[in-house]
Amino acid sequence: DAKTTQPTSMDCAEGRAANLPCNHSTISGNEYVYWYRQIHSQGPQYIIHGLKNNETNEMASLIITEDRKSSTLILPHATLRDTAVYYCIVRPSHNAGNMLTFGGGTRLMVKP
Amino acid sequence: DAGVTQSPTHLIKTRGQQVTLRCSPKSGHDTVSWYQQALGQGPQFIFQYYEEEERQRGNFPDRFSGHQFPNYSSELNVNALLLGDSALYLCASSFITGELFFGEGSRLTVL
Repeated sequence: DAKTTQPTSMDCAEGRAANLPCNHSTISGNEYVYWYRQIHSQGPQYIIHGLKNNETNEMASLIITEDRKSSTLILPHATLRDTAVYYCIVRPSHNAGNMLTFGGGTRLMVKP
Repeated sequence: DAGVTQSPTHLIKTRGQQVTLRCSPKSGHDTVSWYQQALGQGPQFIFQYYEEEERQRGNFPDRFSGHQFPNYSSELNVNALLLGDSALYLCASSFITGELFFGEGSRLTVL
């Protein structure tokens, strides 16, 4: 599986956009980019995923570079409740099972 | 609509004992996966069950075993507990393909 690299921690002001980067330079053509987050003492929560096009849902936007070697998760208006560890995961195509390889993630601190 | 439920939420065992953790998947989901999360680290995949069979397995010893029942619920069993087995054990459910939904976890402490 391709590995991902994320900054260990980031701060963001409440109400501002939080931009979380992820490098996945060895990603292959059939692998998706997934984002999960884990709020303290809770299980991971699915946020968004994409293959090559940019994606948006009610939680976030995902921007994937044209060469697919990196991506950015955008929380458009961060709130204190968005403080969490954010995991960028590269996952084989949907038929390849549920083995997700979590790295260390980015600890996002949203400050008032 | 109940999400993924796990029990117990917390438990304490001593070295050498055995433990069973339980998971009920989100309504409609037929696949269950188990993950181990040590303090300060990301979750690590243990195994996945579909149609009552283990389909994928991560790098965990045979002391870790599981079972899936006809109603899709699942158990994780760990034998001969070691101090290093202390962790948060997460269950995730899904359809055979698709996003994973995680439970809140069972926190195991081995003394």
